[in-house]
Amino acid sequence: AQTVTQSQPEMSVQEAETVTLSCTYDTSESDYYLFWYKQPPSRQMILVIRQEAYKQQNATENRFSVNFQKAAKSFSLKISDSQLGDAAMYFCAYRSTGTASKLTFGTGTRLQVTL
Amino acid sequence: GAGVSQSPSNKVTEKGKDVELRCDPISGHTALYWYRQSLGQGLEFLIYFQGNSAPDKSGLPSDRFSAERTGGSVSTLTIQRTQQEDSAVYLCASSLLLGLSYNEQFFGPGTRLTVL
Repeated sequence: AQTVTQSQPEMSVQEAETVTLSCTYDTSESDYYLFWYKQPPSRQMILVIRQEAYKQQNATENRFSVNFQKAAKSFSLKISDSQLGDAAMYFCAYRSTGTASKLTFGTGTRLQVTL
Repeated sequence: GAGVSQSPSNKVTEKGKDVELRCDPISGHTALYWYRQSLGQGLEFLIYFQGNSAPDKSGLPSDRFSAERTGGSVSTLTIQRTQQEDSAVYLCASSLLLGLSYNEQFFGPGTRLTVL
């Protein structure tokens, strides 16, 4: 079974600064997907970014980028130019390939953004 | 367009009572998932429905939990004889099932269940 570990329960960053959230995972599969989800107080999970394991290039979405280290089974999220609206819970998630596969989540990191 | 909706938004019940939680997926989405988010925990997979195939119930924590999906659309998660440890946010997600390997799951806002 796959597991996802987020070792930072809480992080804080000043507005306009950069912060990196850590995630490690364990799997015996060679191909899979990795995700970062954001959960604001509204509870709705929002997909921030995804990475296909077969792609060596790190995914980027505007101010959000990942550092995917397949051999180390590490998948960190970097948020640049942090904004107050980035404050939320962030979850790292794993999914096997296949048309309908469940997501396996980490326990989350609460990000605070200060002025 | 309409996203995934869930009702009720909040539910308070007494220990031992049965509860039903409802999920309306995005129209046309053939896969539907239920997850549970307990306080301080990540999301835990419960069950998913994939088209007309038998559901994957491997995540249901006990036989007090069941779910059905009628007409390939709306789903109801039922918890019988609720216990305090059932208190959590129950999230539903849906996705298309295309010929592609990747199908994004879109989440609803969840139902917060409190068992007194």
